[in-house]
Amino acid sequence: GDSVTQMEGPVTLSEEACLTINCTYTATGYPSLFWYVQYPGEGLQLLLKATKADDKGSNKGFEATYRKETTSFHLEKGSVQVSDSAVYFCAPHYSLGSNFGNEKLTFGTGTRLTIIP
Amino acid sequence: DTEVTQTPKHLVMGMTNKKSLKCEQHMGHRAMYWYKQKAKKPPELMFVYSYEKLSINESVPSRFSPECPNSSLLNLHLHALQPEDSALYLCASSQDPVSTDTQYFGPGTRLTVL
Repeated sequence: GDSVTQMEGPVTLSEEACLTINCTYTATGYPSLFWYVQYPGEGLQLLLKATKADDKGSNKGFEATYRKETTSFHLEKGSVQVSDSAVYFCAPHYSLGSNFGNEKLTFGTGTRLTIIP
Repeated sequence: DTEVTQTPKHLVMGMTNKKSLKCEQHMGHRAMYWYKQKAKKPPELMFVYSYEKLSINESVPSRFSPECPNSSLLNLHLHALQPEDSALYLCASSQDPVSTDTQYFGPGTRLTVL
């Protein structure tokens, strides 16, 4: 079935380091692609999204490009801050057909990121 | 306003209790969702309510039952839960239940079943 593979964590970086969190998805249909972030003790917040091939989503210095040829949506940031410490989820949104609604957001396992001052 | 509110924030219940979780959105969204998130795991979709139709993940036990009193409210009724049901329960909403729409999440209800 449809699935997503996300880089395992935890990831620990120093402040101002470069960040890449890898995400690949199975190419059934044409999913929209999302990155959500979950800060400690909170719900999920949308970080960025891309709905078609070659689209680039960006927010708060984070970027990710919808790569259809490699079925990837890697999250990048050039200079991380302590406030970026959180869990990051890659989430393709697939069409399911008739069994369970019509659309489903499928979450990766999450990558816990810790930034050290 | 992109806020989804959930009450209560925390809930502790025994296995014989009946309780309800509440979720509300005032964004005019036409789809609402319940997710279950165990510790250090991703959220798992339990139910989708859109256009007055409920879609159920068949793996969800019947001790969980959703109810949608109106277009801005989605409740989750809990009855005879098990300790393994302890988790963070997240509600979300989106404009429409389509893949291009962003889902907006509430802060969650942290449920503990004793």
